[in-house]
Amino acid sequence: GQQLNQSPQSMFIQEGEDVSMNCTSSSIFNTWLWYKQDPGEGPVLLIALYKAGELTSNGRLTAQFGITRKDSFLNISASIPSDVGIYFCAGQLTGGYQKVTFGTGTKLQVIP
Amino acid sequence: EAGVVQSPRYKIIEKKQPVAFWCNPISGHNTLYWYLQNLGQGPELLIRYENEEAVDDSQLPKDRFSAERLKGVDSTLKIQPAELGDSAVYLCASSLARSSYNEQFFGPGTRLTVL
Repeated sequence: GQQLNQSPQSMFIQEGEDVSMNCTSSSIFNTWLWYKQDPGEGPVLLIALYKAGELTSNGRLTAQFGITRKDSFLNISASIPSDVGIYFCAGQLTGGYQKVTFGTGTKLQVIP
Repeated sequence: EAGVVQSPRYKIIEKKQPVAFWCNPISGHNTLYWYLQNLGQGPELLIRYENEEAVDDSQLPKDRFSAERLKGVDSTLKIQPAELGDSAVYLCASSLARSSYNEQFFGPGTRLTVL
């Protein structure tokens, strides 16, 4: 099935550094979602974006809904060891139920 | 409140054997999803239930996969017979309503290894 493209695929950063990752699609979405998955667990929703151009924060996390509706960005400021995990973007159209399409993931490793 | 419960957490079987996974969603969640997650990939929807009705099973390989949610609560996903390529994590998720976006809560998954 279709998967959204995420970059980078993986990254190693030093604790305290800021992190940026992005997600692109060939299709337009009306909702963008960012999830985090820890090893051996299911994904957990971090941020949901509902409007093109929207910028939303959740603690040290900030995500933006791209103006073209074909991309989204996630930034993590002042990374800490518990930020380690795989971050997935996901897109969804609205209007009744629409399937959520997930990205390929960005694996983040934080060096203490 | 308990989250989505899945069992078993791990399963190792030989190819051509049958296997079943069980999911109990969050209490009161009428929508239940089964996802397949291959290594290094995001989850991909297999089937979605609204109460006991399978409303989207277009991605379910029906020659070997089946699912049921008889009483609109817990659900079982079965593979018979399993193939080597079925090795993956099978995630169950649930949500409260189907209109617009309603947050999906995921279980920990069942990691299947087919030898």
